[in-house]
Amino acid sequence: QKEVEQNSGPLSVPEGAIASLNCTYSDRVSQSFFWYRQYSGKSPELIMSIYSNGDKEDGRFTAQLNKASQYVSLLIRDSQPSDSATYLCAVNGDGGFKTIFGAGTRLFVKA
Amino acid sequence: NAGVTQTPKFQVLKTGQSMTLQCAQDMNHNSMYWYRQDPGMGLRLIYYSASEGTTDKGEVPNGYNVSRLNKREFSLRLESAAPSQTSVYFCASSEAGVSGNTIYFGEGSWLTVV
Repeated sequence: QKEVEQNSGPLSVPEGAIASLNCTYSDRVSQSFFWYRQYSGKSPELIMSIYSNGDKEDGRFTAQLNKASQYVSLLIRDSQPSDSATYLCAVNGDGGFKTIFGAGTRLFVKA
Repeated sequence: NAGVTQTPKFQVLKTGQSMTLQCAQDMNHNSMYWYRQDPGMGLRLIYYSASEGTTDKGEVPNGYNVSRLNKREFSLRLESAAPSQTSVYFCASSEAGVSGNTIYFGEGSWLTVV
């Protein structure tokens, strides 16, 4: 079983819709959770981090964490074509240095 | 405003050749990392350096060596390249451990081993 699992997609949504990206993880003691965006041929960039159960909002992005279900999600409201990218879920177990990345979900936003 | 700089950007090697990927950061970060990214596999940690003078193995260290030359620089060496090492390599850095700290990535190095 992979430690961090994501649906590879592609996920296709129309412009203006809500895109919902999901991630599950296997290590129950995980403490820190991240969403990175990666455009094709580019390096990953952090868009959200979350450490506590519940929702965290930043502009059009909302991260949701449920530690009991070992589930992290990212909602993108009012999706734009510029949001088309691969979204990587990342989990850190002990506050240390070994962050585990999922394989990513490809998102396409159709104009 | 360079951030994390890695070289070379593209490299083609023959099986058995050696090479070193160079990485430098100008953000005064303590921790540095080398990841590889393969299709369908996500990013996998090869080695990391928690602070100057220390290095540790990550998920996939076999076939690689690293050197933390100073606080700014962290190099990755392939002693005898194999086709399985064809990948995109990312150097990264963070303030300290990743909890509460953003990992900043370099632009990537595309390596092909033939």
